[in-house]
Amino acid sequence: EPEVTQTPSHQVTQMGQEVILRCVPISNHLYFYWYRQILGQKVEFLVSFYNNEISEKSEIFDDQFSVERPDGSNFTLKIRSTKLEDSAMYFCASSRQGSLEAFFGQGTRLTVV
Amino acid sequence: ELKVEQNPLFLSMQEGKNYTIYCNYSTTSDRLYWYRQDPGKSLESLFVLLSNGAVKQEGRLMASLDTKARLSTLHITAAVHDLSATYFCAGDNNAGNMLTFGGGTRLMVKP
Repeated sequence: EPEVTQTPSHQVTQMGQEVILRCVPISNHLYFYWYRQILGQKVEFLVSFYNNEISEKSEIFDDQFSVERPDGSNFTLKIRSTKLEDSAMYFCASSRQGSLEAFFGQGTRLTVV
Repeated sequence: ELKVEQNPLFLSMQEGKNYTIYCNYSTTSDRLYWYRQDPGKSLESLFVLLSNGAVKQEGRLMASLDTKARLSTLHITAAVHDLSATYFCAGDNNAGNMLTFGGGTRLMVKP
């Protein structure tokens, strides 16, 4: 069964460092998303991406964040200068059509120290 | 801006009992989703409800959507321990490119 894969599963970084979280969406999906979940809290939308551009973003997705689809398969989230409050589980998701049944990856746990 | 609220936030129940989780949302949303999350794991899609009156069932779980009341319910029938997890409902915006999640309901089913 096709699935969304994310790497790494866990990343520890020092405050102020740049991190890149990687995702391989399901191959015939056209919509890609990043969400995050701070430990024990609800899932929060960051950004959606369609047709090689951002289609929606939240207030959380400020200038420190960027997304890219560098080739036909990968979808990345970059945080330029990490803060302690960026520590969370980051989920990538993809869907064939809009947010209709988005499939989520296993997540990358980001710990900023 | 869509707001989604679930209740209860925590539910402890005995095996064999029935219960309902409620999901209210603030603005028009034609689609409502239910996800399950096990501790430390990803979000597993359970149900996609696309229209008013939609009802879907899978095993001991049944979800319904009332768009006029802006309410979705997830009903658990004869709970078993394996259903212990956190359940999230989510609505999408009119453009269909963003999900807003409720706070989650942590369900614990005791033998």
